[in-house]
Amino acid sequence: DIQMTQSPSSLSASVGDRVTITCRASQDISNYLAWYQQKPGKVPNLLIYTSSTLQSGVPSRFSGSGSGTDFTLTISSLQPEDVGTYYCQKYDSDPWTFGQGTKVEIK
Amino acid sequence: EVQLLESGGGLVHPGGSLTLSCAASGFTFSAYAMNWVRQAPGKGLEWVSTVQTPPNIFYADSVKGRFTISRDYSKSTVYLQMNSLRADDTALYYCTKDQGRGRGFHIWGRGTMVTVSS
Repeated sequence: DIQMTQSPSSLSASVGDRVTITCRASQDISNYLAWYQQKPGKVPNLLIYTSSTLQSGVPSRFSGSGSGTDFTLTISSLQPEDVGTYYCQKYDSDPWTFGQGTKVEIK
Repeated sequence: EVQLLESGGGLVHPGGSLTLSCAASGFTFSAYAMNWVRQAPGKGLEWVSTVQTPPNIFYADSVKGRFTISRDYSKSTVYLQMNSLRADDTALYYCTKDQGRGRGFHIWGRGTMVTVSS
């Protein structure tokens, strides 16, 4: 099965900083990658699908890029409400594996 | 409004069984794949199972042979029958709706907690 590896596992940044999270697939998954945000105590929320398409209602400071095996989620200007854990997920074929998550905190 | 409401969680002994339900509303249930995703306490998300339409079915290796997903179109409900439960099945189980055409899981229920303990 294809493994999904996120880095870093956690990060701490200041409000207004540009934040980048990386997700690497162990094999080519084309652009079948989604990103989710899970705020503390809340249900996960879909941010981005097909690697770079912003889900309706998601702030434009979130963006995604990549294809094949290497993907990136970028928050252009970190806001206090962005605190939470971010997960990538492959969905080219089963299993629809999630990455292990990246916890984002405010410094 | 699109809604997913899970039920059926609870405390069960190792080796026991439990059936989770997810009642869907606000969309054409027959047109979308449905999924179960779980999250152990303090841990990350783990995809568990998917039932597509037509009903192609998929399972994570960790539950294959023990869990069965199904859907009742007349009740707009998806089920997860869980047998031979183990301690590592303890988790919050989320029902999710696929957005369709490869666009991710865009609707999540609030989850139902399953605790496997003696």
